Amino acid sequence: GESVGLHLPTLSVQEGDNSIINCAYSNSASDYFIWYKQESGKGPQFIIDIRSNMDKRQGQRVTVLLNKTVKHLSLQIAATQPGDSAVYFCAETYPYTGRRALTFGSGTRLQVQP
Amino acid sequence: DAGVTQSPTHLIKTRGQQVTLRCSPKSGHDTVSWYQQALGQGPQFIFQYYEEEERQRGNFPDRFSGHQFPNYSSELNVNALLLGDSALYLCASSRGDRGAETQYFGPGTRLLVL
Repeated sequence: GESVGLHLPTLSVQEGDNSIINCAYSNSASDYFIWYKQESGKGPQFIIDIRSNMDKRQGQRVTVLLNKTVKHLSLQIAATQPGDSAVYFCAETYPYTGRRALTFGSGTRLQVQP
Repeated sequence: DAGVTQSPTHLIKTRGQQVTLRCSPKSGHDTVSWYQQALGQGPQFIFQYYEEEERQRGNFPDRFSGHQFPNYSSELNVNALLLGDSALYLCASSRGDRGAETQYFGPGTRLLVL
């Protein structure tokens, strides 16, 4: 089946800089998207989500942008900190699975240099 | 507020054996989903339980089965273990059966099959 993919496997940034993690999805029927952060040895941690009727959603230091025209999702992290170092996954759901199953991409590793 | 808990944290089995993994959902959640995460990859959906029934299933063989109890906790059973079953098994909980509800993950159970 279709799956979510990511452009960059590893992203290295300086502490204090802004980070942008990108994600391309191929299923045009997807209507709910979630970003997760996974630190080594831990389960994925919810960061932020967005539904397809929105283009942008902001949280604390994070912003998710959704471009349905080109099927692209991005996660922006402001003032990146060493604690942000982790693997980031975007995930999608679509109606024909009852929106129950999350489909994950392979992840982007964010490395924050002090 | 207790988060999602899983047991055991680590497990070593040999080929052909059977294994049972356990999950307690986040307080207030009644839906449990199970995912398999191979090393270096994103989680893959196994199945979801709601009201003690399997509501959705991913592309996994019948060797993978589950159960949900009246208190919403869940078990994942894998029979006739293969080397390829070695992975991190993640449990995620959410609320309700409407779909597109945020899934919160536990720390996972690391299974090694020798």
